[in-house]
Amino acid sequence: NAGVTQTPKFRVLKTGQSMTLLCAQDMNHEYMYWYRQDPGMGLRLIHYSVGEGTTAKGEVPDGYNVSRLKKQNFLLGLESAAPSQTSVYFCASRDSNYGYTFGSGTRLTVV
Amino acid sequence: RKEVEQDPGPFNVPEGATVAFNCTYSNSASQSFFWYRQDCRKEPKLLMSVYSSGNEDGRFTAQLNRASQYISLLIRDSKLSDSATYLCVVPLANQAGTALIFGKGTTLSVSS
Repeated sequence: NAGVTQTPKFRVLKTGQSMTLLCAQDMNHEYMYWYRQDPGMGLRLIHYSVGEGTTAKGEVPDGYNVSRLKKQNFLLGLESAAPSQTSVYFCASRDSNYGYTFGSGTRLTVV
Repeated sequence: RKEVEQDPGPFNVPEGATVAFNCTYSNSASQSFFWYRQDCRKEPKLLMSVYSSGNEDGRFTAQLNRASQYISLLIRDSKLSDSATYLCVVPLANQAGTALIFGKGTTLSVSS
């Protein structure tokens, strides 16, 4: 089925460990995004990309890095995980002025 | 003013009620607006876009007031299945509309 796929769905990390979250879309969308969602905080934009090879900072980029080497993939990296990065991470893609299509989310716990 | 603000609720209404949510935004240059619905522990899903002339989709009506910089969502004849969090979405300022900012959401609970 067409859409946005996020892997992994769940992960527990120890403080200081690193990991990469993968987002893949098969809709040929130019724009891709990473958000985090925390209780009472809503969805906050971490980084986004307006095309292959481009990335830009969102509202809360610190502690994260991203790469968009292929149009269909957008990777979110945590180099040294901290408990404050415990959250639900959503990836989304978008074409032109239409709304987003979201992945089902990654639930990350940092202990 | 924050980029986008919503009344968090919760709004508790009986089945069949009409309920309205408002959302204010700060970027006067915004062109694209949306309402999303999010069920507990699920990803947000697009409910409807908001057009300048207002638009209706079944029991749902979205309105935009550019002068006052707010958008609204009206739900008529509420159903139990309408219980969810409704997110107001506007473009991130100075980003040419390429990135969207989400409000914190308004929680609706419809009871029988």
